[in-house]
Amino acid sequence: GDSVTQMEGPVTLSEEAFLTINCTYTATGYPSLFWYVQYPGEGLQLLLKATKADDKGSNKGFEATYRKETTSFHLEKGSVQVSDSAVYFCALRPNFNKFYFGSGTKLNVKP
Amino acid sequence: GAGVSQSPSNKVTEKGKDVELRCDPISGHTALYWYRQSLGQGLEFLIYFQGNSAPDKSGLPSDRFSAERTGGSVSTLTIQRTQQEDSAVYLCASSFGLLWDQETQYFGPGTRLLVL
Repeated sequence: GDSVTQMEGPVTLSEEAFLTINCTYTATGYPSLFWYVQYPGEGLQLLLKATKADDKGSNKGFEATYRKETTSFHLEKGSVQVSDSAVYFCALRPNFNKFYFGSGTKLNVKP
Repeated sequence: GAGVSQSPSNKVTEKGKDVELRCDPISGHTALYWYRQSLGQGLEFLIYFQGNSAPDKSGLPSDRFSAERTGGSVSTLTIQRTQQEDSAVYLCASSFGLLWDQETQYFGPGTRLLVL
């Protein structure tokens, strides 16, 4: 069945370090892929998305490329800030009727 | 502009009791979604509505769970005969529509349910 697997956290980085959070998926067809973020004390919000192979979603310095050949949608940022500390969720939408979220990866960025 | 609101924010109930969770979506959003987040787990998609219709109810965990939406706005998630494993945060989200440029979901703060 359809599913999303993302790397377990927590991930602890120093400010200005490079970030990668891995996300792989299992799905038939051509799903849409998302990264959502939950900052401390706030609700989930969309960070970026991609709808087809080789699409790159980007927002706030974060990027993720839809790789159909490796069924991946890894989240990257070249230089993290303390304000990026949050929980990041990879999500998959195989069709209108379903959404699948990963278990979340907590990122801690230290000054 | 108000965001998605949910009530109650916290609910403690005894095993076997029924509970109702309410979601008020953003005005004008036609799609509404319910999720469950158990401790240490990811989000589990339960059901979505397009207007007042829920095309696929297979994500509901058991027949003790039901959801309805009236007037294309407020939705209620009802859990009958609650069990301890129902304890979780129940999140609601809404989106303008379902198509690519309308599908961004806006999440509410959640209802934290504890079944004793």
